[in-house]
Amino acid sequence: KAGVTQTPRYLIKTRGQQVTLSCSPISGHRSVSWYQQTPGQGLQFLFEYFSETQRNKGNFPGRFSGRQFSNSRSEMNVSTLELGDSALYLCASSLVEQQDTQYFGPGTRLTVL
Amino acid sequence: KQEVTQIPAALSVPEGENLVLNCSFTDSAIYNLQWFRQDPGKGLTSLLLIQSSQREQTSGRLNASLDKSSGRSTLYIAASQPGDSATYLCAEGGATNKLIFGTGTLLAVQP
Repeated sequence: KAGVTQTPRYLIKTRGQQVTLSCSPISGHRSVSWYQQTPGQGLQFLFEYFSETQRNKGNFPGRFSGRQFSNSRSEMNVSTLELGDSALYLCASSLVEQQDTQYFGPGTRLTVL
Repeated sequence: KQEVTQIPAALSVPEGENLVLNCSFTDSAIYNLQWFRQDPGKGLTSLLLIQSSQREQTSGRLNASLDKSSGRSTLYIAASQPGDSATYLCAEGGATNKLIFGTGTLLAVQP
């Protein structure tokens, strides 16, 4: 099976812009989670989607949003970008059950100038 | 507040040595503990998943243990190789799919 794919792999934006990142889970996986990784804060949970519904949300401002489509593909959007949003954004997918292994994609490296 | 701590933050060993990485967590209601590997600038590769009802899991040269009562997990790497050099992350899984990650251990295996 193909792994989790994320597009684009690299993005450069300027402050105030918005950005949309995409994640395609492993075939058959219905849960998609998003994480932000920075040198200072490490890996932090953003949100999880299952069957097109946000099931869990981390402690991030409302500028961070996401959605999931009927084919389980997910997108996350960050509006009004700030310098501190520069990070590696990772997507993970897993099967239905909450105790299943989570498989991560290669990430999208976002740089905000 | 749930916290996951990894010690040491960095470790350098000569090739061939056996080594242990440590992970401590505060949530006694943990559902599972997952170990990952991350190469520089890359995503995470899942190594082992231990359910809360299990004590250990093995895959090749890797063995992970889980002790819920003490809030600890260890990752044992046998006969280390330069290709094992990476950052190793443990993550606690709770009632949802949200993972709480430790800060990682940067491992360097010297040839």
